[in-house]
Amino acid sequence: GENVEQHPSTLSVQEGDSAVIKCTYSDSASNYFPWYKQELGKGPQLIIDIRSNVGEKKDQRIAVTLNKTAKHFSLHITETQPEDSAVYFCAARYYGQNFVFGPGTRLSVLP
Amino acid sequence: GAVVSQHPSWVICKSGTSVKIECRSLDFQATTMFWYRQFPKQSLMLMATSNEGSKATYEQGVEKDKFLINHASLTLSTLTVTSAHPEDSSFYICSARVASGVTDTQYFGPGTRLTVL
Repeated sequence: GENVEQHPSTLSVQEGDSAVIKCTYSDSASNYFPWYKQELGKGPQLIIDIRSNVGEKKDQRIAVTLNKTAKHFSLHITETQPEDSAVYFCAARYYGQNFVFGPGTRLSVLP
Repeated sequence: GAVVSQHPSWVICKSGTSVKIECRSLDFQATTMFWYRQFPKQSLMLMATSNEGSKATYEQGVEKDKFLINHASLTLSTLTVTSAHPEDSSFYICSARVASGVTDTQYFGPGTRLTVL
């Protein structure tokens, strides 16, 4: 079955700097890769996703890149702000199957 | 994005009582809903998959008689923790699957924090 690894587990950056979180997956059949942001005491919120037929997707300050050959995908946050501080989860899935989540990355943006 | 609600947002109960948590899709119909459990500083652990009109599919190690799931309509799934004990204290989160055209993703509810005394 699918297995998703996520690095780093914690990440601290200065406000205004960029943050990058990387996930690797094991099942080459996986074709959908969402990223969720979870603030303290709340449910995860879908922030961006990418399908296997696309190499990069961008939405304002966040972007996701996918390398199917290496089986990894990354979340990029530019010009970080304190409100970006949260736990970020990546996930991978083949169509119709259940999501497999990474263990999460705790991002702290220092003012 | 699609909106999923949960009720209650938090609940405190005595050991031995049962607690029901509701999960609703507010602006769409969800044929499939999922129930997760999350321990502090840990990832999401899938408990069961709930399909409208049929029995839930439980993950290995999850007691189906302990965690009763009912998906009675396309917008409502419920999780009942029966005879709750302190070790059942956790953050329970539901999600709903949205599958339309090329879209097939999950939207999460805000979670319910259960504390069993």
